Amino acid sequence: AQSVSQHNHHVILSEAASLELGCNYSYGGTVNLFWYVQYPGQHLQLLLKYFSGDPLVKGIKGFEAEFIKSKFSFNLRKPSVQWSDTAEYFCAVNAPSGGYQKVTFGTGTKLQVIP
Amino acid sequence: NAGVTQTPKFRILKIGQSMTLQCTQDMNHNYMYWYRQDPGMGLKLIYYSVGAGITDKGEVPNGYNVSRSTTEDFPLRLELAAPSQTSVYFCASTEGTVHMQPQHFGDGTRLSIL
Repeated sequence: AQSVSQHNHHVILSEAASLELGCNYSYGGTVNLFWYVQYPGQHLQLLLKYFSGDPLVKGIKGFEAEFIKSKFSFNLRKPSVQWSDTAEYFCAVNAPSGGYQKVTFGTGTKLQVIP
Repeated sequence: NAGVTQTPKFRILKIGQSMTLQCTQDMNHNYMYWYRQDPGMGLKLIYYSVGAGITDKGEVPNGYNVSRSTTEDFPLRLELAAPSQTSVYFCASTEGTVHMQPQHFGDGTRLSIL
């Protein structure tokens, strides 16, 4: 069964600091990878996705993520965070399971950006 | 397009009561999902559906039931509410093609069982 690990549960950064959130998954086959963001009181929104091709994917709001197959990782990065990036970030893996899509979410990382 | 619409947004139930959380989507998506979100636990899949008339259990189905009579609607039923079901519930949908599209989420239903 696939699983997703997000090792950072709570991250506090000052504005303009660089961000890297870790995501590791376990699944032996082809996967699709996602990062979702949940702003306070809102639903999850797609930040970026990886299906195939260039392992460095760029998303909205200056976020990017790199898929490293050998490390089963899909870390999220942003060179300079803003106060408005305060949110919870979820990594997700989408892989076949019994002929159907199955999406497994990590436990989330809460990011707090201090002005 | 409205996307994924969930009702109600908030609800307080007494132990043993029953209720139905409504979810409807207007994107003609085949795949629909129900998740619960608990603090520090991420999202856990309760049930999912790959099309009208087809549903299957996710990771945490106990205490819940679903039905999928139409492509648009995917209600979640709590028959005997228990305090452990206090959570935020999210409905999601996806086109479900071989390219594995990302999910579209509703705004959530915050449910408290007292």
